Amino acid sequence: KAGVTQTPRYLIKTRGQQVTLSCSPISGHRSVSWYQQTPGQGLQFLFEYFSETQRNKGNFPGRFSGRQFSNSRSEMNVSTLELGDSALYLCASSFGGQDGYTFGSGTRLTVV
Amino acid sequence: GENVEQHPSTLSVQEGDSAVIKCTYSDSASNYFPWYKQELGKRPQLIIDIRSNVGEKKDQRIAVTLNKTAKHFSLHITETQPEDSAVYFCAARMAGSSASKIIFGSGTRLSIRP
Repeated sequence: KAGVTQTPRYLIKTRGQQVTLSCSPISGHRSVSWYQQTPGQGLQFLFEYFSETQRNKGNFPGRFSGRQFSNSRSEMNVSTLELGDSALYLCASSFGGQDGYTFGSGTRLTVV
Repeated sequence: GENVEQHPSTLSVQEGDSAVIKCTYSDSASNYFPWYKQELGKRPQLIIDIRSNVGEKKDQRIAVTLNKTAKHFSLHITETQPEDSAVYFCAARMAGSSASKIIFGSGTRLSIRP
């Protein structure tokens, strides 16, 4: 079966712009989590969605937001981009959020 | 607060020797502990996991041990091979209202010397 698909793979944006990243989970998986990965901070939890509801949120500013659709696909949005937002954004899915994740390949965002 | 600490940050071992990575967690109610391997330029992949009702789990050359009293868990890789070179992350799933949140350690870069 198809894995977790993230689009786009690469993005270059200018400071102050906004960006939307997309994640399609494994078929049948209803939980989608988002992480920010940077060399210095490791994998930082952004938020988790289940059945279109945000169940958990990490310690990121309100510029970071997300949503989940009825087909379990999820998007995350970052507004007013800052240079420090440059990172690999990883999406992970699981059946109900109680098991291990399967990660997507990530979207590498560069803010210039 | 919710925290997972991982040591060491880098580890270099001779091919064929064993490698051990250690983690501690802060939430005593955490009940699920996965380990992920991330090769350069690739996505993290689940290699083994353990639940809080089990003290040890093995899968071929890798094993994980859990000490709930000490809030400590470890990854053991025996007979290391060049393809074991990667960054390894431990993680813990939080409990209660945060039960679907998995917090990761900071990672261990493992290098296997030929």
